[in-house]
Amino acid sequence: GDSVTQMEGPVTLSEEAFLTINCTYTATGYPSLFWYVQYPGEGLQLLLKATKADDKGSNKGFEATYRKETTSFHLEKGSVQVSDSAVYFCALRPSGTYKYIFGTGTRLKVLA
Amino acid sequence: NAGVTQTPKFQVLKTGQSMTLQCAQDMNHEYMSWYRQDPGMGLRLIHYSVGAGITDQGEVPNGYNVSRSTTEDFPLRLLSAAPSQTSVYFCASSYSRKYTEAFFGQGTRLTVV
Repeated sequence: GDSVTQMEGPVTLSEEAFLTINCTYTATGYPSLFWYVQYPGEGLQLLLKATKADDKGSNKGFEATYRKETTSFHLEKGSVQVSDSAVYFCALRPSGTYKYIFGTGTRLKVLA
Repeated sequence: NAGVTQTPKFQVLKTGQSMTLQCAQDMNHEYMSWYRQDPGMGLRLIHYSVGAGITDQGEVPNGYNVSRSTTEDFPLRLLSAAPSQTSVYFCASSYSRKYTEAFFGQGTRLTVV
């Protein structure tokens, strides 16, 4: 079945460090791919999305590219800030369905 | 814009009690769903609805009921609470058309003692 695998956390970085959070997926066809962010005590917010192969989603300095050949959607940011500390979820929406499938989340902690 | 509104934000129940978690959206989304979030397990789908009058089970439906009498509302009922239902519950909604993202409520933190 369809699934999402993302790297386990927590990830601890110093401010201004480069961030990569790996995400790979299993799905038939062409799913839509998403990154969500969850700040403490809040719900999930959409960070970025990509809907077809080679699309790059970007927002607030974060980027992720839809790689069909490697079934990956890795999240990157060139210079993290303390305010980026949160839990990040990779998700997919299989084509032709209403459902969303989430990874287990990766906690990021950025130190000043 | 209110978006997706969940109530209550926190709740403590005794084992065996029942309660309803409320969820309302004002975006005219066709699709609504309930997830539970547990440490190390991500979000797991409990129930979902593709429109008023239509509901279906997700990955972990046991112990929960839902109904969808209007487009806006999608309450989740715990029939007889158990400690295993201690979790954070999220309601989400989205359009049915392709490529669209889900919008989430703020969550309900439920503790069953």
